Amino acid sequence: GENVEQHPSTLSVQEGDSAVIKCTYSDSASNYFPWYKQELGKRPQLIIDIRSNVGEKKDQRIAVTLNKTAKHFSLHITETQPEDSAVYFCAASKGGSYIPTFGRGTSLIVHP
Amino acid sequence: SAVISQKPSRDICQRGTSLTIQCQVDSQVTMMFWYRQQPGQSLTLIATANQGSEATYESGFVIDKFPISRPNLTFSTLTVSNMSPEDSSIYLCSVISGEQYFGPGTRLTVT
Repeated sequence: GENVEQHPSTLSVQEGDSAVIKCTYSDSASNYFPWYKQELGKRPQLIIDIRSNVGEKKDQRIAVTLNKTAKHFSLHITETQPEDSAVYFCAASKGGSYIPTFGRGTSLIVHP
Repeated sequence: SAVISQKPSRDICQRGTSLTIQCQVDSQVTMMFWYRQQPGQSLTLIATANQGSEATYESGFVIDKFPISRPNLTFSTLTVSNMSPEDSSIYLCSVISGEQYFGPGTRLTVT
């Protein structure tokens, strides 16, 4: 089955800095890569996703890149703000009704 | 989109008892999922709840411990049976409707 590795487990940055979280996956058939943000005590929520026919996708301060050959994808957050502090999960799936496999999560702390 | 509610939001239970968690979705969905999230950990899939058939359990989870019902396309229940302190966790239901949505979770503490 699919295996998703996520690094780092904890990331501490100053407000205004950029943050990068990296994930690798094992199943070359995976073609859908969502990212979830989970604030303390809240449910995970989708913040951005990318499909395998695209190399990069951007939404305001958030971007995701995908390298299919190397089987890795990354989340980039620019101009970080304290409200970006949360746990971020990457996931990989074959799309459609296939259940995603989640990474172990990255706790992002943005210091004011 | 899908809006998911869960009941109860939290509970404290005695060892050896059972708790049933309810999950309600505002639209009909084919598959509903139950996850466990232990403190500071990732999301672990317990089972997929299928309407009209038995749930499909992931490795390490069994029906006797986590019986699931799925009486219709908008509702499911997960029971945590014969609880021990190791069952203390957050339990989340989830659906895929275009994207994956999660319920608010049920925080279970077993004493």
